[in-house]
Amino acid sequence: NAGVTQTPKFQVLKTGQSMTLQCAQDMNHEYMSWYRQDPGMGLRLIHYSVGAGITDQGEVPNGYNVSRSTTEDFPLRLLSAAPSQTSVYFCASSHPYGNTEAFFGQGTRLTVV
Amino acid sequence: QQQVKQSPQSLIVQKGGISIINCAYENTAFDYFPWYQQFPGKGPALLIAIRPDVSEKKEGRFTISFNKSAKQFSLHIMDSQPGDSATYFCADAFQGAQKLVFGQGTRLTINP
Repeated sequence: NAGVTQTPKFQVLKTGQSMTLQCAQDMNHEYMSWYRQDPGMGLRLIHYSVGAGITDQGEVPNGYNVSRSTTEDFPLRLLSAAPSQTSVYFCASSHPYGNTEAFFGQGTRLTVV
Repeated sequence: QQQVKQSPQSLIVQKGGISIINCAYENTAFDYFPWYQQFPGKGPALLIAIRPDVSEKKEGRFTISFNKSAKQFSLHIMDSQPGDSATYFCADAFQGAQKLVFGQGTRLTINP
């Protein structure tokens, strides 16, 4: 059971480049979310989804797009990378009922130069 | 934006001692309060969680205390071990684990 898988693990981008961070889960979870982790700021919610075809903004959505065409996948797109987007990105998934544990991937460390 | 304030930022405890991390939340809708543990290079993992109708929850060496009137909750790690060295995040959760609001994190070091 792989859980939540994120790719790539590391990425360096130049300012203005675009890229997609991939996230896949094999637990049939309806809820999926993207967070960014910066020193001294904890994890902050970027976007989240309650099911295929449904997405919404979190606390820090600017500069990021998401879509959810399947239950398993929830990619995060950076349209035009900026140095302020240098961070560690985590994808998480969870069931909507009962067990309220969020399962996190191992993260993608992104550097924008 | 609702906030969760966590302290201290870093904590050093001797092996066998008690580690205490505190969090304060603002007036907000919430379902429960989880604590996540993160090791270097890994994603956070749920350690223990408490619902607001309970004042204390204990799992092994880990205990959450919840004070609703003070809007505070804390994590106590008894008999702290070097393997407990990690970063700990408190959070408040709304609508299950769909949206988590995290504290700033505490880097805990247990000296052998």
